Amino acid sequence: DSGVTQTPKHLITATGQRVTLRCSPRSGDLSVYWYQQSLDQGLQFLIQYYNGEERAKGNILERFSAQQFPDLHSELNLSSLELGDSALYFCASSAEGGRELFFGEGSRLTVL
Amino acid sequence: DAKTTQPPSMDCAEGRAANLPCNHSTISGNEYVYWYRQIHSQGPQYIIHGLKNNETNEMASLIITEDRKSSTLILPHATLRDTAVYYCIVRLGYNDMRFGAGTRLTVKP
Repeated sequence: DSGVTQTPKHLITATGQRVTLRCSPRSGDLSVYWYQQSLDQGLQFLIQYYNGEERAKGNILERFSAQQFPDLHSELNLSSLELGDSALYFCASSAEGGRELFFGEGSRLTVL
Repeated sequence: DAKTTQPPSMDCAEGRAANLPCNHSTISGNEYVYWYRQIHSQGPQYIIHGLKNNETNEMASLIITEDRKSSTLILPHATLRDTAVYYCIVRLGYNDMRFGAGTRLTVKP
């Protein structure tokens, strides 16, 4: 158990819909990272937050947005969903000055 | 961050050492080398990281060449549970961690 909690674990929705994925980092971790992994694909970095502020942005679509709240949990919002958005979405967290990323178990999104 | 090159796949016999290579010829002086692995569709798991010196922990050893242009992750006694995709990543400071395609290691009985 990494200490990073992601909800929901599984989500099935239809094209055009909007979903929110939630991540609770390890206690005290200030950095949160979001990744997307499509079937048989590598991990694509989406975005990183540090203590509520966006720190780095990767291959995140304009239809996707994220934020980190004062209690340090983070949400990834996916809108106007397309079939190609079906993927595993991972959240990871790291401590201040910590080099190791701790990953959650992922949220599996299926868009039908 | 410097890019890395890894073989797409490798096999290893159970009980033998698994040596996974990684090239990072454009690494800069203050970039760290990290190794993670992903078993099936689980969240990636941290293995080890290093800057210049060789490192060892309970999971693996990391050997970094003197010129730092390549490294090798060593799993001393591979088991079937070590079958996974292994990612070598070069990272500057506390920047975002970007994964490549990795090496799919298959441990065979």
